[in-house]
Amino acid sequence: DTGVSQNPRHKITKRGQNVTFRCDPISEHNRLYWYRQTLGQGPEFLTYFQNEAQLEKSRLLSDRFSAERPKGSFSTLEIQRTEQGDSAMYLCASSRGEASGYNEQFFGPGTRLTVL
Amino acid sequence: GDSVTQMEGPVTLSEEAFLTINCTYTATGYPSLFWYVQYPGEGLQLLLKATKADDKGSNKGFEATYRKETTSFHLEKGSVQVSDSAVYFCALTSYYGNNRLAFGKGNQVVVIP
Repeated sequence: DTGVSQNPRHKITKRGQNVTFRCDPISEHNRLYWYRQTLGQGPEFLTYFQNEAQLEKSRLLSDRFSAERPKGSFSTLEIQRTEQGDSAMYLCASSRGEASGYNEQFFGPGTRLTVL
Repeated sequence: GDSVTQMEGPVTLSEEAFLTINCTYTATGYPSLFWYVQYPGEGLQLLLKATKADDKGSNKGFEATYRKETTSFHLEKGSVQVSDSAVYFCALTSYYGNNRLAFGKGNQVVVIP
């Protein structure tokens, strides 16, 4: 399967713990996006990478959140000192990075985080 | 900022009925518009898109027309099937910048045999 993969698919943690999620994009895609989706809402943009450079972060991404994409391949999203409000589905998407026009984003299945 | 508004509430209808899901948007410039679908247990998939005014996107019997004058992109299908049961999201992205998507809240569609 050559789609976007995310691990783990589910994560249950206690408030105050740190968690890390991984996203493996489609191999030839140089753009990578993280979104968060809470129950009954559409996905909300969190951050964006072009290759290994993090080019944009939403104001939704508090200081407790950090994302990396070493070597422009897979990406990790870490949440420190989790809070119950962090419970959500975390989605990763990747796309080509052609200069003009829209490049279709392909989404992974998501990681569902539950903070107790 | 850019935003998308979808009609409230789930949609329940019988097989072979006509489906309409309303979507309006607010954006600067000339956004591209999309409908994404999320089937149970699966990731988001692009259903159709339109990149300029008066374009009609279509796929799998679904259609939506980019209406700049009414800032709308309503999704329609003439005869739904049980397999169309899913959550449908309207979304937009600006032409410039990083192509990040702004989504509506989504509409759950349930098709009853």
